[in-house]
Order: sequence, then structure tokens, then C-alpha cells
Amino acid sequence: SYELTQPLSVSVALGQTASIACGGHNIRSKNVHWYQQRPGQAPVLVIYRDASRPSGIPERFSGSNSESTATLTISRVQVADEADYYCQVWDTGTAVFGGGTKLAVL
Amino acid sequence: QVQLFQSGAEVKKPGSSMKVSCQVSGGTLSSSSINWVRRAPGLGLEWMGGIVPFFNTPTYAQKFQGRVTITADKSTNTVYMELSSLKSEDTAVYYCARRYCSGDSCHYYFDFWGQGSQVIVSA
Repeated sequence: SYELTQPLSVSVALGQTASIACGGHNIRSKNVHWYQQRPGQAPVLVIYRDASRPSGIPERFSGSNSESTATLTISRVQVADEADYYCQVWDTGTAVFGGGTKLAVL
Repeated sequence: QVQLFQSGAEVKKPGSSMKVSCQVSGGTLSSSSINWVRRAPGLGLEWMGGIVPFFNTPTYAQKFQGRVTITADKSTNTVYMELSSLKSEDTAVYYCARRYCSGDSCHYYFDFWGQGSQVIVSA
């Protein structure tokens, strides 16, 4: 079965840029989607189809997908961005999530 | 605006079954695939399966095959997920999540989520 690999945690200083990686075999051939989950809340879609942003999501959130890694980038990080982030793809009729990355804002 | 409303928290005994509901408002099941995703304590998101009510065809993750049943009631815009033979490891928050569909073509991401239903499995 297809697997997605994410770092357990990423730390970033307030106002700086955070990058969260998502690795998978030939991931460039797939559409990667990203979700933010704050403590006690439901997940929220922040990026779909590699780099598209749903309405209401700040421009500070961006995505890319190349070679074997997809990346979620959050610029000008705010305290409110502290959350768990998950990448997701669809493979052979099933949804696959990465293990999640906890973003800590210092 | 599409909204998904889930049933409340439950406490279940090991070996019993649970059934969680998800009512869709602001849209119809004919343009949706409703999926179930859970998050157990200390773990990440895990997809369990989904249904395209228009075709009434459920799909299940291999891990849950034989234990999970997803059904839809188009008359009430409600989707149900039943999980049987519960174990302590099934303690989790269960979410329903929508994929937008047009005919038999659905997006491959989840754009709207329910608020979550906490299920605790304990003797």
C-alpha cells in the first residue's frame, strides 16, 4: 500500500517561514492535499491539488509538488498556525494520509 | 454553505458495535461522497471508507473490511457508519468528511468536515 512520510515536528520562529515536507514514491505523479488540525477541532483543507488554496485560506499558505516530495509552506507564521498538518493523496481507490506534522511556533 | 452535523459522544463495551451519523445540510447527497476518517489518541488521521449515495456504493479501507458498514439515507441527507467488534484501540474521534461529486466523478480531497464524534471503548 502507498505510504506518505512526514516529519513528526517542525519548529519555526514567529513571523518566519515554515516548510512541511511530505514524501512518497513518485509523489510528483499524484495530487497532494493538505489539512490543518488545531487541538480539539476538525481538520480544515488548506491546500488542494498540490498548490490550490480554498476560499478563506490566507495567501500565506502555499504548496508545491516535485520529484519525491510535496511541500506545504507557511509564510509569516502566526501563533494561530500552531497545529497538526497532514498531507493526503488518493491511491488505488483509497485515501492515504501522512502521519502528520506538529508545527510549533517559537 | 455545506455543513455536516454528527451524532454525539458514545461509550461502548469491547465486542459491541457503534453507529455514528452524519447529516448534510446546505447541499445534497447526490453531489457528495461522504467519507469517515478517525483520529485515535496520539495517532494521526486514518481513512476508514466512504460512500457515493448517488450510486449507493460504499468503499472500505482494507484494515476495516468486514467490520465497517457505511450506509446512506437520501430522504434525510444522512450517512451512517457502523463499526462492529469494538476494541479499546477503536477509541477515537470519528469525523465524516465530504468529497464533492459531479455525476460519477468526485474530487480526491475533503472540503467539508463534521465536528467529530468521540467514541470511547472501555470495559
